[in-house]
Amino acid sequence: AQSVTQLGSHVSVSEGALVLLRCNYSSSVPPYLFWYVQYPNQGLQLLLKYTTGATLVKGINGFEAEFKKSETSFHLTKPSAHMSDAAEYFCAVIQGYSYGKLTFGQGTILTVHP
Amino acid sequence: GAVVSQHPSWVICKSGTSVKIECRSLDFQATTMFWYRQFPKQSLMLMATSNEGSKATYEQGVEKDKFLINHASLTLSTLTVTSAHPEDSSFYICSATHRGLMNTEAFFGQGTRLTVV
Repeated sequence: AQSVTQLGSHVSVSEGALVLLRCNYSSSVPPYLFWYVQYPNQGLQLLLKYTTGATLVKGINGFEAEFKKSETSFHLTKPSAHMSDAAEYFCAVIQGYSYGKLTFGQGTILTVHP
Repeated sequence: GAVVSQHPSWVICKSGTSVKIECRSLDFQATTMFWYRQFPKQSLMLMATSNEGSKATYEQGVEKDKFLINHASLTLSTLTVTSAHPEDSSFYICSATHRGLMNTEAFFGQGTRLTVV
């Protein structure tokens, strides 16, 4: 079975600083990995995804993530945080070959200080 | 990207009543829809998988008689919380996908905040 672990339920950075949100996965099949962002009382917006091919994936709003099979990781980064990045972020892995069936990590709340 | 719309965005109901939440794919045919529940400060937990024209598949621990799911058309799935109780208060989110996406993405609705009083 697939599982996802996000290290750190809360991350706080200063505006302009590097953002690093950690995600490790466990999967018995080649994983499809996702990062979503959720603003309060809203649904999820896809930031980026890895399916196959290039292991460094670029997403929206300046975010990117690198798939590292040897480390079973898919950490999310952004070189310079913006106040509007403050939200909750979820890493997810698709369950086997089920269409859109996702297992989510616990979520990481990102706070950006001026 | 494709658009999935949920309605209502929030609802307050009395204990013991039933509430229906709709999930619509607006610009694509959703062969499969998923229903998730998110308790405060927690992650999303899959409740059930709904395929058009067939019975939903529920995750372990989810009461199928309490959470009725109908996926009667390729653009609409409904979740009915029957005899709701305060512990059912949660944020419910649907997502939708179709075979053309080849497993690579599901699109999420904006969620429904249910409060049972």
